[in-house]
Amino acid sequence: GAGVSQSPSNKVTEKGKDVELRCDPISGHTALYWYRQSLGQGLEFLIYFQGNSAPDKSGLPSDRFSAERTGGSVSTLTIQRTQQEDSAVYLCASSLIPLTNTEAFFGQGTRLTVV
Amino acid sequence: TQLLEQSPQFLSIQEGENLTVYCNSSSVFSSLQWYRQEPGEGPVLLVTVVTGGEVKKLKRLTFQFGDARKDSSLHITAAQTGDTGLYLCAGVQSNYQLIWGAGTKLIIKP
Repeated sequence: GAGVSQSPSNKVTEKGKDVELRCDPISGHTALYWYRQSLGQGLEFLIYFQGNSAPDKSGLPSDRFSAERTGGSVSTLTIQRTQQEDSAVYLCASSLIPLTNTEAFFGQGTRLTVV
Repeated sequence: TQLLEQSPQFLSIQEGENLTVYCNSSSVFSSLQWYRQEPGEGPVLLVTVVTGGEVKKLKRLTFQFGDARKDSSLHITAAQTGDTGLYLCAGVQSNYQLIWGAGTKLIIKP
């Protein structure tokens, strides 16, 4: 596709269940980012991928959060044993590097609600 | 921890008024980006400023990068209801790292 695609758009899950969020970046973009955004707020960095490796995982809030990227393309963010505080919009972005001369392209996000 | 302080966090003004949003940091950035986000969508890039002192204009929007490349401002002239949205600044810290401001929620009333 022409843009970054995320699925599902919305996810409601029960506390304690695991969820998987998917991101399809723009073809050819080697950099991929996951962010979390609370209602009307700024972006909280979670993880950055360069190709299939994640040189910066510093933003993952706990060991319940993990992410992988395969084939230098699709990425999955997994949240285990979800808690109510995990409720947020999870945004994925992809870009070329270096960012100085380009931009990050965002998907529409996955709105996660933990009940 | 690098921080980018964005102000105000919320602004509600009448159509036709002018406004300015600020982003300030103690860190130097190689460039600074401004994004706009609509409800239910991801942020979309408005502009990138690279050179200290640089001024870029996008119709009624004027973006300025501080001389020391630590701060930036977004000025909107004669705001319109279509300008309503969440405005985010992001400092480019390295090849891949973006340092984000908390966002300014702008509401333009008719």
